[in-house]
Amino acid sequence: SAVISQKPSRDICQRGTSLTIQCQVDSQVTMMFWYRQQPGQSLTLIATANQGSEATYESGFVIDKFPISRPNLTFSTLTVSNMSPEDSSIYLCSAADRGMNTEAFFGQGTRLTVV
Amino acid sequence: AQSVTQPDIHITVSEGASLELRCNYSYGATPYLFWYVQSPGQGLQLLLKYFSGDTLVQGIKGFEAEFKRSQSSFNLRKPSVHWSDAAEYFCAVGFSGGYNKLIFGAGTRLAVHP
Repeated sequence: SAVISQKPSRDICQRGTSLTIQCQVDSQVTMMFWYRQQPGQSLTLIATANQGSEATYESGFVIDKFPISRPNLTFSTLTVSNMSPEDSSIYLCSAADRGMNTEAFFGQGTRLTVV
Repeated sequence: AQSVTQPDIHITVSEGASLELRCNYSYGATPYLFWYVQSPGQGLQLLLKYFSGDTLVQGIKGFEAEFKRSQSSFNLRKPSVHWSDAAEYFCAVGFSGGYNKLIFGAGTRLAVHP
């Protein structure tokens, strides 16, 4: 199994600013993903973080708003840019290995409040 | 398009009673299916998963789930609920190819009465 650490665990930010969330995995993994969980809602996939290339974004999410880095096989960052109160959510990092019969592991999440 | 439906938003059961949480999916190929639990203020914990083989899968904390292809369902069950089971439960489907990019259902919030 993989242990995923996210930093910060929570933050309160002013609107118009940006926050970068870090995700560290304790082992090399093929795939890393970023999800958003809005208050009282389920999880929605933002993007797949690809090592060595641009992230792949899901419909409704764009790179200018959520730039993602993946410099190696154990680390990724998600930036929430030009924040508004609507960005208040929990952001979760997930990691998995490519291949059959693998499962995705999740970090504890970053609880973001934008005021 | 792929989707996951959890028809029950809230469920309340008495401690010691049996539990069944429903999950239906829409996916063209054989799905990878998961149940996760999220306690308040916590991350996601995997309860169980189905990739192939035996359609009745056992998980942690006494949970089990049964994959029924004909009904496109993957319902979660527990024979006797404990107060500590109160949490949010998410069903998820993963795409074939082992990429494990997940689509989640809306979740079912379980309350347990003493």
